[in-house]
Amino acid sequence: NAGVTQTPKFRVLKTGQSMTLLCAQDMNHEYMYWYRQDPGMGLRLIHYSVGEGTTAKGEVPDGYNVSRLKKQNFLLGLESAAPSQTSVYFCASNRGGQSGELFFGEGSRLTVL
Amino acid sequence: DAKTTQPPSMDCAEGRAANLPCNHSTISGNEYVYWYRQIHSQGPQYIIHGLKNNETNEMASLIITEDRKSSTLILPHATLRDTAVYYCIVRIYNQGGKLIFGQGTELSVKP
Repeated sequence: NAGVTQTPKFRVLKTGQSMTLLCAQDMNHEYMYWYRQDPGMGLRLIHYSVGEGTTAKGEVPDGYNVSRLKKQNFLLGLESAAPSQTSVYFCASNRGGQSGELFFGEGSRLTVL
Repeated sequence: DAKTTQPPSMDCAEGRAANLPCNHSTISGNEYVYWYRQIHSQGPQYIIHGLKNNETNEMASLIITEDRKSSTLILPHATLRDTAVYYCIVRIYNQGGKLIFGQGTELSVKP
């Protein structure tokens, strides 16, 4: 039981390049989330999903797209990376319902030059 | 959305109780209070949550005031490994269960 796994863990991009971060969970959770964390800051919610085939915007969705084609996977895409998207990205999952806790991955560190 | 207010930093002596306060004066009746912590740059870790009653688990205790406008996370015997940023979060029930993180409290446990 691996929990929440994020790939890749590190990536360096040039401005304008595209990439996809993959989040996989093996707990059969309904809800999945993508957060970003900038140095010295708290986590900010980018997008989230309440079930397979659904997505919704969080606090800072601009510049990102997501897809949840399979229940266990939540993909975060950057179509045209910008230096402002340099951050650590965390994925999380939750079984759903009123009081479930979030399980987080270990983070993906992205640098955009 | 209910917002939370926490002190930016606190110190605690090793072996003593750490009491971390949180204000959430606009909390709604069906919103839960959650506490998470983040050690270094790891993924946040769930600690405890509650609705109106006080809660205790193997990690901590959560005390929620009767009017639910504030709460306190108690680490009964803090250790150096409890040094972390602690986040108090109010869960938005009717919006997919998303959790909005604030700035948190940076707790330093000192020998």
